[in-house]
Amino acid sequence: DGGITQSPKYLFRKEGQNVTLSCEQNLNHDAMYWYRQDPGQGLRLIYYSQIVNDFQKGDIAEGYSVSREKKESFPLTVTSAQKNPTAFYLCASSIWRGPLNTGELFFGEGSRLTVL
Amino acid sequence: QKEVEQNSGPLSVPEGAIASLNCTYSDRGSQSFFWYRQYSGKSPELIMFIYSNGDKEDGRFTAQLNKASQYVSLLIRDSQPSDSATYLCAVRGSSASKIIFGSGTRLSIRP
Repeated sequence: DGGITQSPKYLFRKEGQNVTLSCEQNLNHDAMYWYRQDPGQGLRLIYYSQIVNDFQKGDIAEGYSVSREKKESFPLTVTSAQKNPTAFYLCASSIWRGPLNTGELFFGEGSRLTVL
Repeated sequence: QKEVEQNSGPLSVPEGAIASLNCTYSDRGSQSFFWYRQYSGKSPELIMFIYSNGDKEDGRFTAQLNKASQYVSLLIRDSQPSDSATYLCAVRGSSASKIIFGSGTRLSIRP
């Protein structure tokens, strides 16, 4: 089945540690996204990528890093520079060009990060 | 000014009534507009998208877009308890792949 897989689902981290969240898609989508959601809040864009080896900062990129070495994969690293990393992280993908381009986002199940 | 704004709610609507959710956006070059529903602890799921001014209907849901006023709304007819969720408005701006969400409106359908 086609879809987006995020791992791990739950992650605990000590302060000062970097952690990497995995996101893999087999939908053959060009664009991939990382969003952060805090309790009772909407989704805030961290980074997005339209094509392999290229990505852009979203609204809250500070303290995060990404890579896009393969079309299928868009891992997010939460660094120790991120002051409040405890949140629900959502990865998504979409078709962003061509006749099938609706802009619809397909989401993974999310990763819940807790910093102890 | 936030790029995409929604009232956070909660919005309480009796079962069977019409729920009306609103969203405004700041980028006049925005191209596409989306409504997602999110149940607690789950990922958002797409309800509707709309590109052109006017109304778009899908079952009990109607999306309305007014680009001149920069607002988009979602009407839910015959509201059901299962409609209780947070509704997120999302906008694809003039940069074709950047998609920004509002803070969401929590909707509660009371029996």
